[in-house]
Amino acid sequence: GAGVSQSPRYKVAKRGQDVALRCDPISGHVSLFWYQQALGQGPEFLTYFQNEAQLDKSGLPSDRFFAERPEGSVSTLKIQRTQQEDSAVYLCASSFGLDYGYTFGSGTRLTVV
Amino acid sequence: QKEVEQNSGPLSVPEGAIASLNCTYSDRVSQSFFWYRQYSGKSPELIMSIYSNGDKEDGRFTAQLNKASQYVSLLIRDSQPSDSATYLCAVGDKIIFGKGTRLHILP
Repeated sequence: GAGVSQSPRYKVAKRGQDVALRCDPISGHVSLFWYQQALGQGPEFLTYFQNEAQLDKSGLPSDRFFAERPEGSVSTLKIQRTQQEDSAVYLCASSFGLDYGYTFGSGTRLTVV
Repeated sequence: QKEVEQNSGPLSVPEGAIASLNCTYSDRVSQSFFWYRQYSGKSPELIMSIYSNGDKEDGRFTAQLNKASQYVSLLIRDSQPSDSATYLCAVGDKIIFGKGTRLHILP
């Protein structure tokens, strides 16, 4: 596609529910990032993939968060047993490689009630 | 802990004036620096990248980098109301973001 596509655009989850957020990067983009953005804050790094390899997951806030990119294209961020503090916008970004600027998707706004 | 610091603002600038946005960073080995613009409710949009010391100009935007001082800035000339947004400074290959500076252009 022409841009980075994220789905769903909005997600409301009951506390304790598992959620899965999808990111479809720009075709050919090797690098893929996930960020979490709370209201009024800058995006916080979660994890980074180069092709299918997850090279850095140091930003994942807990073991309830899991990301995968099995075929080096589409990526899924999964959050298990959601908590209220997980409420945020989750942004996906992709690029041809490190040191290039990244193109962001529209994000998924997750609200945990 | 790698940090990127920005004044949160809001920074109010009259229409037509120069807006100056500043950013400092802690990681001395960083090689890549970016400015993103984010409108309310939208995702960040890349507007400038800079990799070497000095100035880089693109239209009304000029990015300035001083690695010795660990400082990067963005100048917006002839500010327009449509420039009103949050400007995010981002540093490094894993792109660590600052919290952003809210810019308001006064008509």
